[in-house]
Amino acid sequence: DTAVSQTPKYLVTQMGNDKSIKCEQNLGHDTMYWYKQDSKKFLKIMFSYNNKELIINETVPNRFSPKSPDKAHLNLHINSLELGDSAVYFCASSQGAQPQHFGDGTRLSIL
Amino acid sequence: DAKTTQPTSMDCAEGRAANLPCNHSTISGNEYVYWYRQIHSQGPQYIIHGLKNNETNEMASLIITEDRKSSTLILPHATLRDTAVYYCIVRDWGQNFVFGPGTRLSVLP
Repeated sequence: DTAVSQTPKYLVTQMGNDKSIKCEQNLGHDTMYWYKQDSKKFLKIMFSYNNKELIINETVPNRFSPKSPDKAHLNLHINSLELGDSAVYFCASSQGAQPQHFGDGTRLSIL
Repeated sequence: DAKTTQPTSMDCAEGRAANLPCNHSTISGNEYVYWYRQIHSQGPQYIIHGLKNNETNEMASLIITEDRKSSTLILPHATLRDTAVYYCIVRDWGQNFVFGPGTRLSVLP
């Protein structure tokens, strides 16, 4: 069974659209994360979230917003998509000090 | 910024041990050393982590120097499927993982 699953795996859309990427973890972890990996392959954290606190990387535009309907889900909503948003987005989860587990990524392409 | 430095790339012959070094000279007493790898088109995969003592699991061994300023990840018998980018990360509990550029390991037949 997949521990951290993301949908969709591929997302191709036009500039200016609004889109969401979903993430679910079945590990019972208390913290979830979103990362962005750009064309240069650098993996940068965007958000970390548990039921108490949302921590936002200050470099993330406010067009990006995480939404957590429950402890097992952390979705990423993006408004007014721009060309520079093209990247692979990874979801991850962890419990306390334990290592993070990552999903297989969502490849977002903006036309 | 990442607190570690790693070689950009390394080659290893299939079946041989792959030794991947990492420098973390500014590591603090509460920070653990973590290793992840990313195989092309997949999400980062956890390998191993440690604080002071050497660690071994089914995937690899982690050797941490006594002063904790550097470490080495050892893949004892590298296979072609071990070709990946390997990330060394130092992190205290509660901190985020900060990924650097990592080491691109190529296992050659």
